[in-house]
Amino acid sequence: AQSVSQHNHHVILSEAASLELGCNYSYGGTVNLFWYVQYPGQHLQLLLKYFSGDPLVKGIKGFEAEFIKSKFSFNLRKPSVQWSDTAEYFCAVNAEAGNMLTFGGGTRLMVKP
Amino acid sequence: EAQVTQNPRYLITVTGKKLTVTCSQNMNHEYMSWYRQDPGLGLRQIYYSMNVEVTDKGDVPEGYKVSRKEKRNFPLILESPSPNQTSLYFCASGSLPASSYNSPLHFGNGTRLTVT
Repeated sequence: AQSVSQHNHHVILSEAASLELGCNYSYGGTVNLFWYVQYPGQHLQLLLKYFSGDPLVKGIKGFEAEFIKSKFSFNLRKPSVQWSDTAEYFCAVNAEAGNMLTFGGGTRLMVKP
Repeated sequence: EAQVTQNPRYLITVTGKKLTVTCSQNMNHEYMSWYRQDPGLGLRQIYYSMNVEVTDKGDVPEGYKVSRKEKRNFPLILESPSPNQTSLYFCASGSLPASSYNSPLHFGNGTRLTVT
């Protein structure tokens, strides 16, 4: 079965700092990868996704993520964070285009103005 | 407007008192799923359904039941709630296969359940 690890549970940054959130998954076959964002008091929204092709994917709000197959990683990045990026971020994996989406434990990001 | 609607948003109940959390989607999605969200554990899948009358267990199904009698509705039933089921619950829907490229999961706004 697939599993997802997000090693940073809490991250605090100042505005304009660069962001990188780690995500590692354990599954040896084909995977589809996602990052979701949950703003305070709201439901999860899709930030970006990787299915195939260019391993560097760009999402909404200036976020991007890079799939490194050899490292089983799909780290989320943003060059310059804003206060409005304060949220919880979840990495998720769907193995072999199946019907289960497995989430990581989440990373709570706080951006100080 | 395309949406997944959960009710209620907040629920406080006592141990053993049966409850149902409703979930409805208006996008004609085949796939629906329930997750619980707990601090540090992310979202864990409870049950999912790929169509009417088709349901499967997720990672943490114990203590929960679901039904899919109509395509748009996927209620979550706790026959005898216990304090360890205190959590934030999310319903989600999507086209098949789940999390396809053109149809990522749509989530409801969540139900915060407290069992005392």
